[in-house]
Amino acid sequence: GQQVMQIPQYQHVQEGEDFTTYCNSSTTLSNIQWYKQRPGGHPVFLIQLVKSGEVKKQKRLTFQFGEAKKNSSLHITATQTTDVGTYFCKRGGSNYKLTFGKGTLLTVNP
Amino acid sequence: DGGITQSPKYLFRKEGQNVTLSCEQNLNHDAMYWYRQDPGQGLRLIYYSQIVNDFQKGDIAEGYSVSREKKESFPLTVTSAQKNPTAFYLCASSPSGQGGYEQYFGPGTRLTVT
Repeated sequence: GQQVMQIPQYQHVQEGEDFTTYCNSSTTLSNIQWYKQRPGGHPVFLIQLVKSGEVKKQKRLTFQFGEAKKNSSLHITATQTTDVGTYFCKRGGSNYKLTFGKGTLLTVNP
Repeated sequence: DGGITQSPKYLFRKEGQNVTLSCEQNLNHDAMYWYRQDPGQGLRLIYYSQIVNDFQKGDIAEGYSVSREKKESFPLTVTSAQKNPTAFYLCASSPSGQGGYEQYFGPGTRLTVT
């Protein structure tokens, strides 16, 4: 399996600004999951996207799955200090290797 | 409380010693996983087990060993053959080894080898 690529690796924003992280694959994905890891904590599942073009929202977070099912994005509107952490995407499929992206570390300046 | 426990939270060992990290889950999940996390490297899969008495190597299995004798337990041994053992180790589980299930993570063990 090919590892999914996440960009950017780091993002620093002022509180209230928007934030987006992208997850890209060279192959079609069966599904994509997003996780959040707070500093010093462990990853926590946020959401799973399965369908082409799917868009899901969780309060200020918007998740999208591309039409070709090769990319996904997580957008946070009006960031807050509680959004700080590393956001990981994880590809689905039967191959368990290289499933997680390297993550995007978000820091928020209050 | 249902969940995954890992112990201890911090572990210190001398070089050349084997060390075993504990992972227990009471979620009745079939699949369990061990990941290693280093700064900027994301989560790298060490071993996974889809069912009791079966486990498979992940991306970076060299220098590690596991066992899965009970459904709820998946201990990881970091052997002296592992060249850079200092890292944050995360255990996870999911209802099934088939795709489409979220993974539940334990709080992790931070291992320091000097």
